[in-house]
This record gives sequence, structure tokens and C-alpha cells, in this order.
Amino acid sequence: IAGITQAPTSQILAAGRRMTLRCTQDMRHNAMYWYRQDLGLGLRLIHYSNTAGTTGKGEVPDGYSVSRANTDDFPLTLASAVPSQTSVYFCASSDQSLADYNEQFFGPGTRLTVL
Amino acid sequence: GQNIDQPTEMTATEGAIVQINCTYQTSGFNGLFWYQQHAGEAPTFLSYNVLDGLEEKGRFSSFLSRSKGYSYLLLKELQMKDSASYLCAVLDSNYQLIWGAGTKLIIKP
Repeated sequence: IAGITQAPTSQILAAGRRMTLRCTQDMRHNAMYWYRQDLGLGLRLIHYSNTAGTTGKGEVPDGYSVSRANTDDFPLTLASAVPSQTSVYFCASSDQSLADYNEQFFGPGTRLTVL
Repeated sequence: GQNIDQPTEMTATEGAIVQINCTYQTSGFNGLFWYQQHAGEAPTFLSYNVLDGLEEKGRFSSFLSRSKGYSYLLLKELQMKDSASYLCAVLDSNYQLIWGAGTKLIIKP
């Protein structure tokens, strides 16, 4: 693979169910991010990780959790899905070893519908 | 609070020039990015400005004025494939990207 992959591509989920969105990158980037994108709103940061073993909360972390066991993988878990979590989810990564240039590379997205 | 403003939608004609503006108010500034996003796809990087002035890259140019909290993306010789949303984002003092809602650009023949 080259770049960032996400799985699944799309999912319909019943409210209350647990769901993990997967994200894998092969660029050896130290930083990874999860965003949600809703119509009329900008990308909103859910959680991020600056390096393997560390994570941080973004703008809208409630209802979501992440882990970063290694450099390549950054799964996002919805413990008990609610309809307001219906959105398109993008995973991104960047090389923060570059001093001040933080271009983020995005995965193809996961379209999640919670009913 | 932090705020990025850009027009919701713009329309332009194939072959013409269009300027998409972005104004920002953020806690700190470590650079401004422009991304392109075609419908149903992921955002892709277009440009990065950290110093005042114009950065040119082919048909696309991006301008920054830090004192005015203002940037624009200039697209020349518009092509139908340029129909997309253009996202402005600012890297704040915590090195987190703050995103605008995007400008949907419609190109007409």
C-alpha cells in the first residue's frame, strides 16, 4: 500500500452498537489524526496522536476513543454509537519531524450512518 | 474563539480566473494551508504559506497577509476539473490545524 487506508469505506450502524474505524499508514509518519466532516462545517478534529504511545483530545472527542500501539495504526472507536455521530470520518497523518511544515495526508474516508 | 471564514460557494467560467478569500482569527499562527477536495473524496494539499506574500505553483497561487489575517487562493485558466471545494486551514499555536468550512467552486462551460 502507499499512503493511508481506511476501513470500512462505509457502514450503517444501529444506535448503541460499538464500532471501530481502522486507519493504517505506511509513510512512517509520527503524527496521526481523526477528523469528522459534516455538511456546512469544517473538518473537526476528534483525536490526534503525535507519536506512538501518546494520544490527545481534539475539538470534539466525546463519544470517541483512540489508541496508538504502533506507528502505522490509529483506530477510532465509538463505544456506543448515537445518530449525531453520522458523518464522514477522515484519518490523516503528517511528519512532525519537519520543523514547521505540517502537511497532512488524508485517507479516503469512512462514511458512517447511525440509525 | 478561533474562526476561519471563507465564502460558501462561488461560480466561475472555464478559462477564467477566480480568487477565493479566507480570513482567520486564531490563537497563534504557524502557517496557512489550502486544500482541494473533490466531491466524495479526501482533501489533497495545494499550498502552504507562512510568510507574507505570494506563492505561485502552476495555475494556482496563494497569498498571505499575517497582519490582516487574510489569505486568498487564485486559480487561473480554470478547467472543468477544478470544480471542487477549497478548504482554508490555519496551524495554530498548538500546531493543530483549524479548518474553514470550505468554498464550493462551480465551473461553468
